[in-house]
Amino acid sequence: DQQVKQNSPSLSVQEGRISILNCDYTNSMFDYFLWYKKYPAEGPTFLISISSIKDKNEDGRFTVFLNKSAKHLSLHIVPSQPGDSAVYFCAAGFYGGSQGNLIFGKGTKLSVKP
Amino acid sequence: GAGVSQSPRYKVAKRGQDVALRCDPISGHVSLFWYQQALGQGPEFLTYFQNEAQLDKSGLPSDRFFAERPEGSVSTLKIQRTQQEDSAVYLCASRPTLSPNQPQHFGDGTRLSIL
Repeated sequence: DQQVKQNSPSLSVQEGRISILNCDYTNSMFDYFLWYKKYPAEGPTFLISISSIKDKNEDGRFTVFLNKSAKHLSLHIVPSQPGDSAVYFCAAGFYGGSQGNLIFGKGTKLSVKP
Repeated sequence: GAGVSQSPRYKVAKRGQDVALRCDPISGHVSLFWYQQALGQGPEFLTYFQNEAQLDKSGLPSDRFFAERPEGSVSTLKIQRTQQEDSAVYLCASRPTLSPNQPQHFGDGTRLSIL
């Protein structure tokens, strides 16, 4: 069973508009969450993270929201740019145990159209 | 370069052959992770090193998979008697310290194809 789920395989938005990428999780014990961006034939690149004790973290055009009661987080990109077109992975981890191996969702492919 | 380097980028092997995949982490990074990414899936954890110590190998799918990091820097993932289901992208990631608060930095991966 998947502990981290990204139920939308793809998303298409117009340049300049908001992109909202969603992620659900089943394990309420996760301590932190991250978003990674991946271009074809490249490794994932870290975007933004959030601790489970917070409900929002912002970095430039990227904002991550965490709703612990709903076990849901989302990544907002405003304004979206064509260069944002990539696959976005949601990941979660624990502070203890294996010192931070990440559990990833399957990814959402974002296409930003000019 | 300053990033995580993996080699080879592409590897084709016949079923039953042994393969070795190399990871050069960012210099000075203490933690090193290996992940396996099948087509259309997210990366899945294989194993974790803290310096030269392999602290977690719970994600290795079978005893055909073996990883080492003998001097606490370069790591090698070895797969013996490869099978078709081993075809995937193998990603290596490193992290500066033990703290999970710091993000992992990924290499571009090795795409392994077993014929």
